[in-house]
Amino acid sequence: DIQMTQSPSSVSASVGDRVTITCRASQGVQNWLAWYQQKPGKAPKLLIYAASRLQSGVPSRFSGSGSGADFTLTINSLQPEDFATYYCQPTNTFPLFGPGTKVDI
Amino acid sequence: VQLQESGPGLVKPSQTLSLTCTVSSGSISSGTYYWSWVRQHPGKGLECIAYIHHSGSTYYNPSLKSRVIISIDTSKNQFSLKLSSVTAADTATYYCARVGDFPSHDFDYWGQGTLVTVSS
Repeated sequence: DIQMTQSPSSVSASVGDRVTITCRASQGVQNWLAWYQQKPGKAPKLLIYAASRLQSGVPSRFSGSGSGADFTLTINSLQPEDFATYYCQPTNTFPLFGPGTKVDI
Repeated sequence: VQLQESGPGLVKPSQTLSLTCTVSSGSISSGTYYWSWVRQHPGKGLECIAYIHHSGSTYYNPSLKSRVIISIDTSKNQFSLKLSSVTAADTATYYCARVGDFPSHDFDYWGQGTLVTVSS
């Protein structure tokens, strides 16, 4: 079974910072990877699909890259509303999610 | 597309948890989407329980498969979850969500979630 890891598990950042989160799959998933943002008490929100495609309405400061087994989510110029937990998910298999990365102040 | 979960917020141990998701502003029968249930234990990560296509095709998380039934009612634009023999470990927030077609099984629309507590 495929396993997903994310690093770091948490990161402290400031408004305006650039934040990079890494997601690694135990086996290649080509470019079939999605990223989600979840704020406390809210449902997850799809940010990026197919590794690098921005979901409609998502600010362009979010970007995704990678293929195969290694992927990155980058948030440029962190905004106050970006403090949240981020999850990756391989989409070409039965859905499972990475353990999450919490971005806090 | 909007999704809304409904069902009891409190279930007794050993009983069956039953939830329904009502889909609005879109047909549950249209396109190649799947419809899913995802849960999140308090303070923990996301776990997909099952998903279903309007054709009736179903997929279950192997770790829960023996206790789960997912069903769909296209006439009501709803789909449902039944989780049997619940224990305190099933206490979680349950979300319903729309899932894209393979190989892009991403979750693009979500309900707000409903907290289900298993307790006597």
